[in-house]
Amino acid sequence: GAVVSQHPSRVICKSGTSVKIECRSLDFQATTMFWYRQFPKKSLMLMATSNEGSKATYEQGVEKDKFLINHASLTLSTLTVTSAHPEDSSFYICSAREDRYTDTQYFGPGTRLTVL
Amino acid sequence: AQSVTQLDSQVPVFEEAPVELRCNYSSSVSVYLFWYVQYPNQGLQLLLKYLSGSTLVESINGFEAEFNKSQTSFHLRKPSVHISDTAEYFCAVSDYDTDKLIFGTGTRLQVFP
Repeated sequence: GAVVSQHPSRVICKSGTSVKIECRSLDFQATTMFWYRQFPKKSLMLMATSNEGSKATYEQGVEKDKFLINHASLTLSTLTVTSAHPEDSSFYICSAREDRYTDTQYFGPGTRLTVL
Repeated sequence: AQSVTQLDSQVPVFEEAPVELRCNYSSSVSVYLFWYVQYPNQGLQLLLKYLSGSTLVESINGFEAEFNKSQTSFHLRKPSVHISDTAEYFCAVSDYDTDKLIFGTGTRLQVFP
């Protein structure tokens, strides 16, 4: 149980284009989903927290107009990197949590974004 | 503010040897503690967690961790490692109020034959 998928697993795009990454909870309803960014040999950096049906809460220093997050249903959240640039190249990981009382996040396999 | 410190960035060890991956945290409130494992080119998988109750928690693959409140530690141990345990291990802390997971910088466990 508690499986989270991400699509695509890898994406290469040209500078200036937008990329959408999907995060799905496959066997549970996720009231909260989180988006992280992982740099090489670095820890995960929380970008934003999204609750179903409400606006995402972004961490300090994360541009909300650049990283658009939508959590339209209890099983799907999307991250759109708008006008991507090479410095946006990274490993993006989502996680999902069923409810606050279980307090366990289940992680997706990640999406490797490369911006040329 | 909470923080997590994993002092060892890399831990090399021979197969069947014991291993300890250290994790210390700082927090002014009660915490929940987690260990996640990340295999190459994969996402994070929950290894074990401490929410309350017994301070010693175990995973299904032989790892265990002990919550030590006085030393603010949650070290991960395994008495005999396998080649397949080679991975990156992340310690993380959260609490009910902040609703966020704060990760350490990770420890690369490299098991040699």
